[in-house]
Amino acid sequence: DAKTTQPPSMDCAEGRAANLPCNHSTISGNEYVYWYRQIHSQGPQYIIHGLKNNETNEMASLIITEDRKSSTLILPHATLRDTAVYYCIVSLRDSSYKLIFGSGTRLLVRP
Amino acid sequence: GAVVSQHPSWVICKSGTSVKIECRSLDFQATTMFWYRQFPKQSLMLMATSNEGSKATYEQGVEKDKFLINHASLTLSTLTVTSAHPEDSSFYICSARDSGRAPGELFFGEGSRLTVL
Repeated sequence: DAKTTQPPSMDCAEGRAANLPCNHSTISGNEYVYWYRQIHSQGPQYIIHGLKNNETNEMASLIITEDRKSSTLILPHATLRDTAVYYCIVSLRDSSYKLIFGSGTRLLVRP
Repeated sequence: GAVVSQHPSWVICKSGTSVKIECRSLDFQATTMFWYRQFPKQSLMLMATSNEGSKATYEQGVEKDKFLINHASLTLSTLTVTSAHPEDSSFYICSARDSGRAPGELFFGEGSRLTVL
């Protein structure tokens, strides 16, 4: 399974864009990139996923490089409630599609 | 969106007793559910994959006789921590897959915090 590398922590000002990077240099051609976040003492929440094209939904945008070796999650206008640990996960291409969480990035949104 | 509920949200038990945690998908059928545990300030660790009507598949290092998983229906999976000890104290989180969505788009429960005295 492809591993991911994320910075342990980041911060940004409220109202500004938060750009969270993720490296997945060993990703294979049919593996997706998933992003989840976990607010303190809660279960993780799905944010977005992509294969090779950029994706956008009501929560965030996902930018995947052309070689697919890295991606960036963008929260366009971060709020205090976006303070959480953000996990970048590459899905395993087996029948169970289980998700293996790494250490993630702790994002602190400052007032 | 799809909702997954866990019960109880927190439980305190004595060492040596067994504790059952339930995970329910409230508005969709989940043929596959996953159980994770999380220690303070650490990431989630996958314990097992639970498939409806069949035996769970445990990750390496997870004792199947200690962490009993039953997935008897399409909306319910249970995790029983048998003969609990203080080192089993942790945050247990389940997740479920809605077959109508992408395979990796899981819905997580609120978690169950177990404290073993």
